[in-house]
Amino acid sequence: DTEVTQTPKHLVMGMTNKKSLKCEQHMGHRAMYWYKQKAKKPPELMFVYSYEKLSINESVPSRFSPECPNSSLLNLHLHALQPEDSALYLCASSPELGVSWYEQYFGPGTRLTVT
Amino acid sequence: AQSVAQPEDQVNVAEGNPLTVKCTYSVSGNPYLFWYVQYPNRGLQFLLKYITGDNLVKGSYGFEAEFNKSQTSFHLKKPSALVSDSALYFCAVRDRGTDKLIFGTGTRLQVFP
Repeated sequence: DTEVTQTPKHLVMGMTNKKSLKCEQHMGHRAMYWYKQKAKKPPELMFVYSYEKLSINESVPSRFSPECPNSSLLNLHLHALQPEDSALYLCASSPELGVSWYEQYFGPGTRLTVT
Repeated sequence: AQSVAQPEDQVNVAEGNPLTVKCTYSVSGNPYLFWYVQYPNRGLQFLLKYITGDNLVKGSYGFEAEFNKSQTSFHLKKPSALVSDSALYFCAVRDRGTDKLIFGTGTRLQVFP
């Protein structure tokens, strides 16, 4: 199974809502990533987890809160978002952090719209 | 700092013709280079990577890429394009200091019937 799954596929939320994005992989990967992608732009790294511990935070605003409850799951909690946060949110995984020749496997993404 | 450049925003090619999507890199040391493809409203799919060894790397869906150290390039190629190859293609390099994947700006490939 070389699949990364993400739910929901689409999410519309108001600026005062709290919602969560979920990502799951069963490849035994120990590194998991959140990216944000605007239309026709490359993905921008947000967070990296390694062995369920936060390893990299790319100075993301606190209204985005990641969580890695176990080695297969990665969540992104959203609160008080702004319209400019509307984007495609991608989750990815790789076998290990710090092994540069490993490729990352991406999920299909969650299309988020903030109204 | 590590970086990749994709000089073409869009590449148009007729179905059945060979295609090339260009990528140049700037890294210190030996590069780890990747190509990903993104279909509309989908995540990125890994196509191929260069780590070391043969300069011609073969990947998924009939794609290959040629690593050229003297020209610091890693162009993606396919001998015969399909309409279904139409998508957004990203070249990327691994920053070995931070382990981050540094993406190019992307090239939209349009294959016409």
